[in-house]
Amino acid sequence: DQQVKQNSPSLSVQEGRISILNCDYTNSMFDYFLWYKKYPAEGPTFLISISSIKDKNEDGRFTVFLNKSAKHLSLHIVPSQPGDSAVYFCAAENSGGGADGLTFGKGTHLIIQP
Amino acid sequence: EAGVAQSPRYKIIEKRQSVAFWCNPISGHATLYWYQQILGQGPKLLIQFQNNGVVDDSQLPKDRFSAERLKGVDSTLKIQPAKLEDSAVYLCASSPWGSYEQYFGPGTRLTVT
Repeated sequence: DQQVKQNSPSLSVQEGRISILNCDYTNSMFDYFLWYKKYPAEGPTFLISISSIKDKNEDGRFTVFLNKSAKHLSLHIVPSQPGDSAVYFCAAENSGGGADGLTFGKGTHLIIQP
Repeated sequence: EAGVAQSPRYKIIEKRQSVAFWCNPISGHATLYWYQQILGQGPKLLIQFQNNGVVDDSQLPKDRFSAERLKGVDSTLKIQPAKLEDSAVYLCASSPWGSYEQYFGPGTRLTVT
C-alpha cells in the first residue's frame, strides 16, 4: 500500500511558465516532507523541504505548499527552466521515532519545453 | 565537500550468484541508509545505520540480504544468492546527526540475468 502517491507520472510545461507537481500521503504520522530531483544515472539531490508545522516554504524559484487536512503537498517552480527537466520525488518522514528513513513516491517526470 | 561515494557503478550477475556493494558516506555523517530503487518506482529503504548500529532493517530481506557498517564509516551491502527481482539501483545515502536531509550517492545499477 503506497503511503506517498504521485499520481502524475509525467508533466510537460513550457519554459518560463509555472510547474506544479503534486503529492498525496496517507500516513498521518508523517511530519516532515522533502522534494528530491533526479537526473538520469545520478542519485537524487535534495531540493526543498517543509515541516508539518508550516504550510509554505520558499527557496528561490521553488515553493512547497502543505495542506495537512487534505494530506496533500505541492511543489511550484516559477519560472520553469530547461535545466529543471528531471524526475521529481516527493518523500515523507516520521521524525518521532529513532528510525527516519524516507518513504518516497514513484516520481513525476517533468519535461520543460523550449 | 566530497559527496557520497559508491562502487561499483554497474554490475551484471547471473541469478544465484552473490554480489557486494560499497558505500563511503560524507565525512562526519553519523547516519547511513541503503535504498533499493526498482525501475519506475521510488527508492525503498532497506536498512538504516546510526554510527555502526542498526536502527531499522524491517524492510531488508534478511534471508538473502546483509549489510554492515564497520567502524561507523564505510558500509557494504551484500546479496547472496541473487534473484531476478533484485535487479534495481541500490542507493546509499547519509545524513548528519539530527538532520532530516539525506544526501545520496550515484547508486549501483544491478542487473541479474
